[in-house]
Amino acid sequence: DIQMTQSPSSLSASVGDRVTITCRASQSISSYLNWYQQKPGKAPKLLIYAASILQSGVPSRFSGSGSGTDFTLTISSLQPEDFATFYCQQSYITPPTFGQGTKVEIK
Amino acid sequence: EVQVVESGGGLVQPGGSLRLSCAASGFTFSSNWMHWVRQAPGKGLVWVSHINNDGSSTSYADSVKGRFTVSRDNAKKTLYLQMNSLRAEDTAVYYCARVRPGSPDAFDIWGLGTMVTVSS
Repeated sequence: DIQMTQSPSSLSASVGDRVTITCRASQSISSYLNWYQQKPGKAPKLLIYAASILQSGVPSRFSGSGSGTDFTLTISSLQPEDFATFYCQQSYITPPTFGQGTKVEIK
Repeated sequence: EVQVVESGGGLVQPGGSLRLSCAASGFTFSSNWMHWVRQAPGKGLVWVSHINNDGSSTSYADSVKGRFTVSRDNAKKTLYLQMNSLRAEDTAVYYCARVRPGSPDAFDIWGLGTMVTVSS
């Protein structure tokens, strides 16, 4: 199985900050990388698919980049509603695998 | 509204069985691959199983292979997960998720989940 490793596991940030989360795959996955946001007690929400394509309805402050093994999710200006846990997920090969999550907390 | 709604979770003893359902609405269910993903309390997301659009192809995580069976009834727009020989480590919220059309295994529609607790 492909291992997905996110860093950091958690971070504290203030409203308005630029936040970057990285995700590394144990082997090349081309651009088959998706990002999700999950708030406590809620289902995950697809933010970005194919590494850099914004899902319909997702604010433009979210962006994704990368290919091969290294990927980045960036929030350009953190908003109060963005505090959540973020997961990357590879869709290159079955089984699809998720990173361990990055919890974004209020500083 | 495009949505999926899971049901069927509950408390079951180790070794027992449970059947989860996922009712779809607002989209052409028969056109979409569907997945089950679970999340143990306080833990991350773990893929469980998938089924293709007509039910002819399925796949399972090693941890559930031989114990869980995924199926679908396209006429009823419903996805199922039959879980047998349940273990404590199967305790989790189980989500069904739709594959975004045209995007391999990107899950764009998720249900609220149904909680499965395996305990004596």
